[in-house]
Amino acid sequence: KNEVEQSPQNLTAQEGEFITINCSYSVGISALHWLQQHPGGGIVSLFMLSSGKKKHGRLIATINIQEKHSSLHITASHPRDSAVYICAVQSGSARQLTFGSGTQLTVLP
Amino acid sequence: DTGVSQNPRHKITKRGQNVTFRCDPISEHNRLYWYRQTLGQGPEFLTYFQNEAQLEKSRLLSDRFSAERPKGSFSTLEIQRTEQGDSAMYLCASSFGGGGAYNEQFFGPGTRLTVL
Repeated sequence: KNEVEQSPQNLTAQEGEFITINCSYSVGISALHWLQQHPGGGIVSLFMLSSGKKKHGRLIATINIQEKHSSLHITASHPRDSAVYICAVQSGSARQLTFGSGTQLTVLP
Repeated sequence: DTGVSQNPRHKITKRGQNVTFRCDPISEHNRLYWYRQTLGQGPEFLTYFQNEAQLEKSRLLSDRFSAERPKGSFSTLEIQRTEQGDSAMYLCASSFGGGGAYNEQFFGPGTRLTVL
C-alpha cells in the first residue's frame, strides 16, 4: 500500500463545475503539500498545510489530521486549471516529500 | 533570481553512457533535493543536501548514481553506465530551512532523460 493515495486518478469536468480531489496518507506527518504539474514537467506549489484549511483564489485545501485525509477543491473551474494535481507529505524529521501518483484534471470549455 | 534552474532540459543518450545533470537552486536556499519521476507517476525522492552535506539518500539511488553539491550552491547528479530503466524526468527542488521542520519546496523545470 502506498503511503500517499489520491483519488480520482483522472477527472474530467465542465467549465464552471466544483471539483474535489482527495488524498489519504498512512503515516504521521508534519506537513501536507498540494502541487500542480503542467505538461512539460514544471511543478508549482499550491498549498502547504498542517491543520485546518487554506484558501487562495478559487483553490481551497483542507486537512483532517485525525482521519489522515486532505482535499483540494477548485471552485468555478476553468480550462486553464487543467493539469496534474499532486498530493505530497512530509513526515517526522525527514525533509523530503513523499508523493501521491497525481490526479489528471481536464476541464472542458 | 528567477527560481530553480536545471540543465540540460532534455538529454538523449545510449545505454552504457554516463550523463550529468546540473541544478542551480534559489540563491538563499540551503536545502536541495533530487527527485525522479516516471511517466504517470508522482515524483520519488532520490537524495537531499543541506548546504554541502548530503544528508539522506534513497534506496533508489544505486551505486551508479552520485550527487554532489560543492560549496553548498549548485548541485550535479551523475548517472554512470545508464540503463533504459533510468529514463525519467529528474527534478530538482530547493527550500530554505528555517526553524520549522517543514518548508515549501520550489521545483525546477526538470531534465528529461531518454536512454536508448
